[in-house]
Amino acid sequence: QLQLQETGPGLAEPSETLSLTCSVSGGSISIDYFWAWIRQPPGKGLEWIGSVHYRGSTSYNPSLKNRVTISVATSKNQFSLRLSSVTAADTAVYYCVRQPPRHTGGRGIDYWGQGTLVTVSS
Amino acid sequence: DIVMTQSPDSLAVSLGERATINCKSSQSVLYRSNNKNHLAWFQQKPGQPPKLLIYWASTRESGVPDRFSGSGSGTDFTLTISSLQAEDVAVYYCHQYSGIPDTFGQGTKLEIK
Repeated sequence: QLQLQETGPGLAEPSETLSLTCSVSGGSISIDYFWAWIRQPPGKGLEWIGSVHYRGSTSYNPSLKNRVTISVATSKNQFSLRLSSVTAADTAVYYCVRQPPRHTGGRGIDYWGQGTLVTVSS
Repeated sequence: DIVMTQSPDSLAVSLGERATINCKSSQSVLYRSNNKNHLAWFQQKPGQPPKLLIYWASTRESGVPDRFSGSGSGTDFTLTISSLQAEDVAVYYCHQYSGIPDTFGQGTKLEIK
């Protein structure tokens, strides 16, 4: 059974860079799927941040594009999120997920991590 | 971006009664290369990640009770719970995965009347 687990600091300083890592177990990251980040501010809805393929291609939400970098480390079976110049508006639960290729669509999002709360505060 | 608009924002239904949630997209989510609607429905309970209920607009995920059903095509979609159970109290989201970025509806909070 595939499992995804987010790790990283639960607190980030305003104007600094938020960094999270998603560890994938029970399967390889080096398959034809996309690995993505989704966030959810407390009490609010879901926002897709972006995705990466193990071959390195990325897609980002235009609303965050200038601040986001998603990368993959196939040797570690991990992928990561960096979000720069954070403000209180970036306080959210951050989920890592797996998505089938868009041309098949499949389930859209077929695996989720449990999520990790990141609070932006000084 | 494809904007997803759910209605209503909240809904109170008696146990055993039908619950209906609507989702409208600002443009079609029918994916031409596979002729499938790239539209999913999720259920989220407090403190948990969303749980997939329906994908391709009407395909029930394995293990999801058959009281949950999805319908619609193009830009208008519906999630129906045929006979509400207490464990169905949750927030429900529609999700389009046709265009980049993926987008979600704002959520519908379902409660017991």
